[in-house]
Amino acid sequence: GENVEQHPSTLSVQEGDSAVIKCTYSDSASNYFPWYKQELGKRPQLIIDIRSNVGEKKDQRIAVTLNKTAKHFSLHITETQPEDSAVYFCAASKAGGTSYGKLTFGQGTILTVHP
Amino acid sequence: NAGVTQTPKFHILKIGQSMTLQCTQDMNHNYMYWYRQDPGMGLKLIYYSVGAGITDKGEVPNGYNVSRSTTEDFPLRLELAAPSQTSVYFCASSYRALDEQYFGPGTRLTVT
Repeated sequence: GENVEQHPSTLSVQEGDSAVIKCTYSDSASNYFPWYKQELGKRPQLIIDIRSNVGEKKDQRIAVTLNKTAKHFSLHITETQPEDSAVYFCAASKAGGTSYGKLTFGQGTILTVHP
Repeated sequence: NAGVTQTPKFHILKIGQSMTLQCTQDMNHNYMYWYRQDPGMGLKLIYYSVGAGITDKGEVPNGYNVSRSTTEDFPLRLELAAPSQTSVYFCASSYRALDEQYFGPGTRLTVT
């Protein structure tokens, strides 16, 4: 089955700096890569996703890049703010066969943004 | 729309007891999922359903059972609870396979 590795496990930055979180996946058939943000004690919420037919996607201060050849994808947050502090999870999935959109999650990155 | 709702929010279960975690969504989503999240870890898929009457195992199904008799409801049954089932359980739903999954607020379960 799919295996997703996420690094780093913790990331501490100063407000205004950029933050980058990287994930690698094992199944070359995976074609959907979402990122979820989970604030302390809350439910995970989707912040951005990318599909295999694009290499980069941006939404304001957040961007995701995908390298299918190397089987890795990254989350980039620019101009970080204290409210960006949370746990971030990457995930991978594929359509077709018996996958039915099952997500395999990475282990998570605790991002702390210091004012 | 309430989205995805789960009950109970918290529960303490004794070893060997059984219980059902409830999950309901009002978005007419076809796909529903159950995940568990252990402390400091990511989410692991327990069971999922692609529509009423259709369910299948995820990554960690042992000790759990599910049913899906309606589009809205997807209960998770724990039989003969064990301490290893202490976790936070999230239910999620999506309209299609590779759409955003909407999560419920979670159930924090302690087995002792």
